[in-house]
Amino acid sequence: QSVLTQPPSTSGTPGQTVAISCSGTQSNLGSHTVNWYQQLPGTAPKLLIYSNAVRPSGVPERFSGSKSGTAASLAISGLRSEDEADYYCATWDDTLNGFVFGTGTVVTVL
Amino acid sequence: EVQLVQSGAEVKQSGESLKISCKVSGDTFAYSWIGWVRHMPGKGLEWMGLIYLGDSDTRYSPSFQGQVTMSADRSSDTVFLHWSSLKASDTAIYYCATRGNHDRVIAFWGQGTLVTVSS
Repeated sequence: QSVLTQPPSTSGTPGQTVAISCSGTQSNLGSHTVNWYQQLPGTAPKLLIYSNAVRPSGVPERFSGSKSGTAASLAISGLRSEDEADYYCATWDDTLNGFVFGTGTVVTVL
Repeated sequence: EVQLVQSGAEVKQSGESLKISCKVSGDTFAYSWIGWVRHMPGKGLEWMGLIYLGDSDTRYSPSFQGQVTMSADRSSDTVFLHWSSLKASDTAIYYCATRGNHDRVIAFWGQGTLVTVSS
């Protein structure tokens, strides 16, 4: 089961800003940086943010990340219809000695 | 850049064995470790574990220890995920994935292999 907790869903209208939270513990988010993934329907996950706030080449500036202690957040500003997807946070866990994923958040553009 | 190309979809009966594959090519840091992720229908992503390509050392997630076997063929840069006796609950999409420039970042993903197990 998932070790990191995310809200099941969130929504917004085009142009709005939505934020997705990710809550963990000292053994994971408290000790390691967070990465975020976007999974469009029927496709493999794609790295969106790594090391808390770094965007890989090609990821729009509309996506931003942050982390404080055992909590992290992904913000999507200027929401667009193509942002409709599932979003997952992930990090390393020292107790499990492996990666852990969040429960996932469905973003709907109204 | 790294490419991970997985084998095609499988339909199996409960109790049968199965081995799916993931071929690695591209940048050399990808030849450090390859991990596997399960995505069950309507559920979230689950880390299954990883295999180090250099010595085939494996690190399984506790939830998957004893349920699957990871192996590697370095001569063909291919890793495998094996089930000795499938269950209906193994029905899922399985992704192989690997690091980028940072060891603790899953940066590249295969296209996924759909495994359907009927009882």
